[in-house]
Amino acid sequence: EAQVTQNPRYLITVTGKKLTVTCSQNMNHEYMSWYRQDPGLGLRQIYYSMNVEVTDKGDVPEGYKVSRKEKRNFPLILESPSPNQTSLYFCASGFSGGYNEQFFGPGTRLTVL
Amino acid sequence: QKEVEQDPGPLSVPEGAIVSLNCTYSNSAFQYFMWYRQYSRKGPELLMYTYSSGNKEDGRFTAQVDKSSKYISLFIRDSQPSDSATYLCAMWDTDKLIFGTGTRLQVFP
Repeated sequence: EAQVTQNPRYLITVTGKKLTVTCSQNMNHEYMSWYRQDPGLGLRQIYYSMNVEVTDKGDVPEGYKVSRKEKRNFPLILESPSPNQTSLYFCASGFSGGYNEQFFGPGTRLTVL
Repeated sequence: QKEVEQDPGPLSVPEGAIVSLNCTYSNSAFQYFMWYRQYSRKGPELLMYTYSSGNKEDGRFTAQVDKSSKYISLFIRDSQPSDSATYLCAMWDTDKLIFGTGTRLQVFP
């Protein structure tokens, strides 16, 4: 089944404890991205990657890191999480090109205490 | 000013009603316009997309783009309770996808 998977789906952690949220897609998509979704603010792009070893900042990259060593994986790293990073996170993938559909994962709900 | 503005709702309508959802945007360079639907506790899914100005119809859904006014709309005819979801407009800005805040729609029987 073609899909984007994220793990974990739910995570409660404490301030400063490094964490990684994994994202994997099996559709051979070049483009992958991370979003956070907050009430009243909608979906905001954190980072995106046009292809392997190519990553760029989105609109809210502060406090996050990403890497794209393989085409199928695009992990999101929070080196020192803070409470303002409590949010719902989505990974998405698609073929490169300005009009292509983005396929979203199921989301990761992160709470930082 | 946000690049993409969308009324958050909620919008509550009876079954069978015609629903109109709208977004305005500020960047005249946007050319690809999309509508995503997000059910509760799920990721967004693409509903429709249009390129440049004009209308596009798919079953009960019609997407409309007016580039001169920087205004896009999604119309839902004969709305059903299963249409209850959050609808997000989105536009490509070169390599970045910019979303509106989403409008929550509730269709009651």
